[in-house]
Amino acid sequence: DAGVIQSPRHEVTEMGQEVTLRCKPISGHDYLFWYRQTMMRGLELLIYFNNNVPIDDSGMPEDRFSAKMPNASFSTLKIQPSEPRDSAVYFCASSLSGQANEKLFFGSGTQLSVL
Amino acid sequence: AQSVTQPDIHITVSEGASLELRCNYSYGATPYLFWYVQSPGQGLQLLLKYFSGDTLVQGIKGFEAEFKRSQSSFNLRKPSVHWSDAAEYFCAVGAPGTYKYIFGTGTRLKVLA
Repeated sequence: DAGVIQSPRHEVTEMGQEVTLRCKPISGHDYLFWYRQTMMRGLELLIYFNNNVPIDDSGMPEDRFSAKMPNASFSTLKIQPSEPRDSAVYFCASSLSGQANEKLFFGSGTQLSVL
Repeated sequence: AQSVTQPDIHITVSEGASLELRCNYSYGATPYLFWYVQSPGQGLQLLLKYFSGDTLVQGIKGFEAEFKRSQSSFNLRKPSVHWSDAAEYFCAVGAPGTYKYIFGTGTRLKVLA
């Protein structure tokens, strides 16, 4: 398996623009997580899905952020409109059972810069 | 509330020297404990994990970690560091029975030739 695949690797956009980040989890993994990494706050869980259904989105910072998982092999994280404070590295991760004793498999991340 | 503290933001060691990265956690019981490594431009990769049993756990790349309940610590060690170990290291805590992981803020390791 190719692992968790994220695209794009880098995204530079201007404030107010819509940004869409993409993720393909490992085949067979029922759980998908979106994390955001910043210098100030470290790694924060934004939202996670189980079998394509959002289970906990309490980490989504505000209504400008939305995430979908239309099928088992694809998820998107959208920011609309984007703001400079959204600049961060966004990681997607997947796991088999979603339990906290299980290894998370991370993608390489999307480096987002909002000017 | 559960939390993870990595007191050292940056550590620099010479190649061949020993390494210890500190991690302290706050949790009501014994959580699941992890160390992940993040190489530049990459996602996080699991180094090792502790759930129960032997308090000294071995991981990949020659790393080990020791769980000390009395100190609420889970420090990562390596006897001899290689230049390729330069990366950022994250300690994480998992709450049993949940999906919740809490990551520390990371320790960036620099290795001098």
